[in-house]
Amino acid sequence: DAGVIQSPRHEVTEMGQEVTLRCKPISGHDYLFWYRQTMMRGLELLIYFNNNVPIDDSGMPEDRFSAKMPNASFSTLKIQPSEPRDSAVYFCASSLFLLGQAPYEQYFGPGTRLTVT
Amino acid sequence: DQQVKQNSPSLSVQEGRISILNCDYTNSMFDYFLWYKKYPAEGPTFLISISSIKDKNEDGRFTVFLNKSAKHLSLHIVPSQPGDSAVYFCAASGSATISGGYNKLIFGAGTRLAVHP
Repeated sequence: DAGVIQSPRHEVTEMGQEVTLRCKPISGHDYLFWYRQTMMRGLELLIYFNNNVPIDDSGMPEDRFSAKMPNASFSTLKIQPSEPRDSAVYFCASSLFLLGQAPYEQYFGPGTRLTVT
Repeated sequence: DQQVKQNSPSLSVQEGRISILNCDYTNSMFDYFLWYKKYPAEGPTFLISISSIKDKNEDGRFTVFLNKSAKHLSLHIVPSQPGDSAVYFCAASGSATISGGYNKLIFGAGTRLAVHP
């Protein structure tokens, strides 16, 4: 398996522009997570999906952020309009829930480094 | 409100010696804890975990200790190797819900370990 795939790996955009980050989870996994990493706050969970359905989006910082998972193999995180404070590394992760086993091991993608100028 | 805290942003250790990374948590409902390792330009990867019913879990050179009364866990690496140089994240979660659902991981801010010859 190729692991979790994220694109683009780097994104530089100007303030006010729309940014779309993409993620392909590991095939067969039923949970998908979007995280943001910053120096100040470490790894923050933004939103997660179970079987393509958003379960908890309490970490999404503002209405400028939105995430979708139209099918089991694809998810997007969109920021519109983008602001300099959105600059961070955004990670996508996936996992598989197995009854009777702790479902906490997540597999992370390589991340997208976003710079908003 | 940081529920999982890694108070040491960095640690430097000589090759062959023991590395001890610490993590404190505030939520007494957490009952599963994990450590992730992250190399530059890569996503975090799962390293080792421990359930709250245990106080120690060992995997090769890596051992995690849990002190529930102190709400503290630590990761010991013995002997430390240069390849262990990375950022280490502590994470915690409550148990899956009775319905078989999932509780999200709460990550600390990370500790950067440098193992030098």
